[in-house]
This record gives sequence, C-alpha cells and structure tokens, in this order.
Amino acid sequence: EVQLVESGGGLVQPGGSLRLSCAASGFIFSSYAMSWVRQTPGKGLQWVSAITTGGDSTYYADSVKGRFTISRDNSKNTLYLQMNSLRAEDTAVYYCAKDRFFGSSASWGQGTLVTVSS
Amino acid sequence: QSVLTQPPSVSAAPGQKVTISCSGSSSNIGNNYVSWYHQLPGTAPKLLIFDNNKRPSGIPDRFSGSKSGTSATLGITGLQTGDEADYYCGTWDGSLNVVVFGGGTKLTVL
Repeated sequence: EVQLVESGGGLVQPGGSLRLSCAASGFIFSSYAMSWVRQTPGKGLQWVSAITTGGDSTYYADSVKGRFTISRDNSKNTLYLQMNSLRAEDTAVYYCAKDRFFGSSASWGQGTLVTVSS
Repeated sequence: QSVLTQPPSVSAAPGQKVTISCSGSSSNIGNNYVSWYHQLPGTAPKLLIFDNNKRPSGIPDRFSGSKSGTSATLGITGLQTGDEADYYCGTWDGSLNVVVFGGGTKLTVL
C-alpha cells in the first residue's frame, strides 16, 4: 500500500524558514516523479513544485520560485520542501503527491499545516 | 484566478446524473492528459480519473471522464450522498511548465 507521510509543518514568523519532509513507502520511490501541492483552508488546490525521479529537474510555481526548493533523497525514500522567506500567503496545508507524470498525481499524503504569522 | 475554469458548484438529486466541466487552452488541456480528483471534507484529494477517461482501481464506473479540444468533463451517474465533495481537474501546462488545477467544484447531492 502506498503511504506518504508529511511532517515539518508548524507556526513560523514571516520571513522565517521551514523544511517539510514526506516519507514514502509501499512503492519504488526512485521510479516516480513527486510533487508538492498546497491548499489554503476553504480554498482550492495550488500546485507548488515538482521534481523528476532522479532529482535532476525541478519545477516551481511563480509564487514560490526563488524562495522554495524541492529535493529528494532516493536512498531514504524521502521528499523535501525547503521553504525560505515565508509570507502570510504561504499559510496552507501542504500535500506531497506521487506522480504518474507531472499533472497526474496518483497518491496523496494526509498533509501538514504551515501557518505563517507573527 | 485558476488557469483551468470549473463551475463553483453543481447540484442534483440522489440517483440523478451530473457533469462538471473544466475549460482550458491548447497549452494545457488541449495537448495534455487531464486528471480529476475528489476531496471529501477534511481529507486529502484522491485521484478519480486519469488520462482523460481512465479510472483507478476501486473507482466505480459511475464516474467517467471525457475530453474534447481544450475542455474536459467529469460525469457522475447514480448520485449518492457520499459523492458530496469538491472536485478538481488538473493537467500539465506545456507553455508555463507548471501543473495547473481548476478552481474546484462543490457537488451537493440534494
């Protein structure tokens, strides 16, 4: 069974940093592209970033480009999202997702809440 | 403002059929596969339809997908109260090199 477990969310002040992790199990992690998608409470889904199987190519939404960095450690079956210069508008539940290919996410984690507030 | 356009809400009675539209452009829906997700209240999204019209194992055939040109449609027949959820379309945009989602459609089963 595919399992994706996010961690690392919490309360952070504007301008601060957080690193999210997503521990994957139940599938060959290194064979799948992965994504981060966020959702502000009561609002729709917003794609944040994606990474290829080997981590050689990464993609970002304009709203996070230059502030967020996606990475993966295939030896640890773990996906990361380093978030710097956080803003209030980054407040959301962040989901990691296992992609069939970019734009088609087959499995999703339960999400981790990031709150940016002073 | 989402790149893909969905109606904010749809409703129908139990047992009836409903369709949810998703409109895009040639850079996204027109040249890429569309996926549909549903999200029950308080839970993570779940893949409902992939590659325009395919269902993952475990998804009943009451759910169907289609695509024509730069638009896609999700159909649900035999509506049940348990189908009340938010539904999202998504795909890759080859011009922007980003994943795009619709704004979501809230389905109410009256």
